[in-house]
Amino acid sequence: AQSVTQLDSHVSVSEGTPVLLRCNYSSSYSPSLFWYVQHPNKGLQLLLKYTSAATLVKGINGFEAEFKKSETSFHLTKPSAHMSDAAEYFCVVSAPTGFQKLVFGTGTRLLVSP
Amino acid sequence: ETGVTQTPRHLVMGMTNKKSLKCEQHLGHNAMYWYKQSAKKPLELMFVYSLEERVENNSVPSRFSPECPNSSHLFLHLHTLQPEDSALYLCASRLISGREDSGANVLTFGAGSRLTVL
Repeated sequence: AQSVTQLDSHVSVSEGTPVLLRCNYSSSYSPSLFWYVQHPNKGLQLLLKYTSAATLVKGINGFEAEFKKSETSFHLTKPSAHMSDAAEYFCVVSAPTGFQKLVFGTGTRLLVSP
Repeated sequence: ETGVTQTPRHLVMGMTNKKSLKCEQHLGHNAMYWYKQSAKKPLELMFVYSLEERVENNSVPSRFSPECPNSSHLFLHLHTLQPEDSALYLCASRLISGREDSGANVLTFGAGSRLTVL
């Protein structure tokens, strides 16, 4: 069965410093992986997706993620945090079989201080 | 705006009430979803309407009843809910095409309906 583990429930950074949000996945086949962001009182918005093309994936707002099969990781990074990046981030893995076609992590809340 | 509109944005109801949540999309998508988002838990898929076929999560109580009159509209009918049903209910849609097993087709989410059951 597919699963994702987001290793940190909260991450705090200062504005202008790098962001690292960690995600490990478990899958019995070659998965598709996604990062979604949810700002307060908003729905989830796709940041980026990996679908077996380039292992380094660039997304919106300067975010990127690297698929590392050997480490079963798909960590999200950004070189310099902005106040507007404060939100909840969800790592998601695809599941071709079963009811839950997409399996969501429990989320990481990113806090950005001035 | 994402193109997926949910109403109402906030709803407070008693346990004996009957209410409905509405979702609308005009993105040309052919699949619509209801998710439940509770604090500290992963998003839980409740119902899927895909190419006019309904698929449901067997763990969802019968007090939740979906309706999909056409490919653009989705409802979630609520009756005799419990306080533990208080959550953010998210609607999503996507266009099903091609390699369905890859999961490459992306969901577009609405902003959600915040439900509080007293």
